Amino acid sequence: ETGVTQSPTHLIKTRGQQVTLRCSSQSGHNTVSWYQQALGQGPQFIFQYYREEENGRGNFPPRFSGLQFPNYSSELNVNALELDDSALYLCASSPRASGGPLSYEQYFGPGTRLTVT
Amino acid sequence: GDSVTQMEGPVTLSEEAFLTINCTYTATGYPSLFWYVQYPGEGLQLLLKATKADDKGSNKGFEATYRKETTSFHLEKGSVQVSDSAVYFCALSDQAGTALIFGKGTTLSVSS
Repeated sequence: ETGVTQSPTHLIKTRGQQVTLRCSSQSGHNTVSWYQQALGQGPQFIFQYYREEENGRGNFPPRFSGLQFPNYSSELNVNALELDDSALYLCASSPRASGGPLSYEQYFGPGTRLTVT
Repeated sequence: GDSVTQMEGPVTLSEEAFLTINCTYTATGYPSLFWYVQYPGEGLQLLLKATKADDKGSNKGFEATYRKETTSFHLEKGSVQVSDSAVYFCALSDQAGTALIFGKGTTLSVSS
């Protein structure tokens, strides 16, 4: 069974640029969530995708956007990068059924370390 | 809104010592509760979970009991090993059942 994979591992961008991060969910999982983890902090929820639609969003501005594809993989796009966007971006997948509670655990990938200079 | 508060670290222990990491939460309704562990340079791994009051989650010698009356989910291990050195995060599922809300994490350092 393949776990959650993310690419790239590390990325350096300049303020104002745009970035796309990618995530492949664990086999059999239909829901993907994205989190931002600043240095020394806990992860913060960005949004979740289920059946290719956004299924919930945290307190992040619209320049953070995403996609989910029919194979359940996902992308996180960030426009107009700011210095504070420097963080570890974590993708998590889960086998959540439609409308079900989050009693299913979320399985995390290794993350993409984004540095904005 | 919902939130999680963890004891601040770092926690420094000798091998075979007893570990407790405190976690309390504020939530509407009855969230599921989780402990995740993050080793240096890696993503988060689910350590254990509990989905209702009085449930005890356990894994790899770690245990935590969902205490509704005290809104707590403290992590314990009877005898820590050097390999347990990591950052531990307490988390709950939000009211919508969509997001995980994490505490700030507690760094554990175990020396031999």
